Amino acid sequence: AQSVAQPEDQVNVAEGNPLTVKCTYSVSGNPYLFWYVQYPNRGLQFLLKYITGDNLVKGSYGFEAEFNKSQTSFHLKKPSALVSDSALYFCAVRASNTPLVFGKGTRLSVIA
Amino acid sequence: DVKVTQSSRYLVKRTGEKVFLECVQDMDHENMFWYRQDPGLGLRLIYFSYDVKMKEKGDIPEGYSVSREKKERFSLILESASTNQTSMYLCASSLLGDEQFFGPGTRLTVL
Repeated sequence: AQSVAQPEDQVNVAEGNPLTVKCTYSVSGNPYLFWYVQYPNRGLQFLLKYITGDNLVKGSYGFEAEFNKSQTSFHLKKPSALVSDSALYFCAVRASNTPLVFGKGTRLSVIA
Repeated sequence: DVKVTQSSRYLVKRTGEKVFLECVQDMDHENMFWYRQDPGLGLRLIYFSYDVKMKEKGDIPEGYSVSREKKERFSLILESASTNQTSMYLCASSLLGDEQFFGPGTRLTVL
């Protein structure tokens, strides 16, 4: 069975500083990894995914994530945080032909 | 752009009522999903469907059923609503193996 851990419930960062939201996973076989963002009272929006290929994946709104197979991690990063990045972020994983399993979410707060 | 719509943004029902939550997608996606979202628990999969008239149980199917009579529509049914089903319900759709697109959610309160 697959699982996802987001070890931080909350991440606070100053505007303009780099941000990292952590994610580790467990899955049998090759992982399919995703990041989603949720703004208040909205559904989830897709940010980026890793299926295969380059370990550094670039996505929407300047976000990127690095796949690290040995550490089973897929941390979300952005070089310079904006106040508008404040939201709830979800990491998700699946094996082939299985539904996504989501982490519990990390609330990012960017302070001006 | 893919659009996933849900029939209501907010819904208030009484204990014991039968509740229907409707989800429609406009991109001919094979896969559709129903999740509930609760603080501190993330998203939990209730049911999913890979094709018309097909359904699979997710992690928490108890107290719920689903219907998929048409490819674009996936309905979640609470046969007899209970207070512990108060939650945010999210519908999603995807092509086979691809990322999921989510609807705006329905916040259901059961009194």
